[in-house]
Amino acid sequence: AQKITQTQPGMFVQEKEAVTLDCTYDTSDPSYGLFWYKQPSSGEMIFLIYQGSYDQQNATEGRYSLNFQKARKSANLVISASQLGDSAMYFCAMRGYLTGTASKLTFGTGTRLQVTL
Amino acid sequence: DGGITQSPKYLFRKEGQNVTLSCEQNLNHDAMYWYRQDPGQGLRLIYYSQIVNDFQKGDIAEGYSVSREKKESFPLTVTSAQKNPTAFYLCASSMGVTSDEQYFGPGTRLTVT
Repeated sequence: AQKITQTQPGMFVQEKEAVTLDCTYDTSDPSYGLFWYKQPSSGEMIFLIYQGSYDQQNATEGRYSLNFQKARKSANLVISASQLGDSAMYFCAMRGYLTGTASKLTFGTGTRLQVTL
Repeated sequence: DGGITQSPKYLFRKEGQNVTLSCEQNLNHDAMYWYRQDPGQGLRLIYYSQIVNDFQKGDIAEGYSVSREKKESFPLTVTSAQKNPTAFYLCASSMGVTSDEQYFGPGTRLTVT
C-alpha cells in the first residue's frame, strides 16, 4: 500500500519569498515516482514537477524544485520567489512501478498556499 | 488546442437518478482515468482504462460505471447505487498507464439532492 502525508493544511507566504510545502510518503515498492500538482480555485489539476526514486539529482522546473530525501521518505516542494498567482491548493502524489500499481496515483490531502503582498 | 474537456462544469440531479459525466481528449492518449475529490481530501481513483474496450476498477468503483468505446472518450455514469455522489469529478489521460504525467480536465461538480 502507498500513503502520502501532507501535514500542513494551510500556509502563508509573502510575495517574492520562498516557501516549502511538506510531503512524506510510505511505500513498499522499490521503484516509484513522486509528483506535485497545483489546483487553482477553478479546479483543474496542473502538473508541476516529477521525481523518480532512482534519480540522482533533485528535480527542478523553473521556480519549482523538489527536495527529495529518500532515507527520510520526504519529497518537499520548494517554490522560489512566490507570486500572487501561486495561491492555490498543492497536492503531493506518488505511484509505484513494480507492484502492479503503476496505473494509480495516490494523492495526499493537500496544502492550501496563500501568497500575500 | 490539445486537451481534455469535461462537460458540464456544474451538474445537479435528484437522488435516485443516474447521471453521466462526459470526458473527451484529443491528445491521442491511450490511458484515461476518473477521479473523485471530496472537500479537504485528495483525489481518489474510480476507474481507469488502458485501451479501447478495456477498463479497470480503481479504489472506489462501487456505484459507478464506465465505457471506453472510442479512444477519445471515457464517460462516467454515477448510478443511484452510489451512496454519496455529491463531489468534484476529474478526468485525466496519459500516454500509457505507466507514463509519468497525467493531464487533467477542468472537472465537473456534481450535486445530488
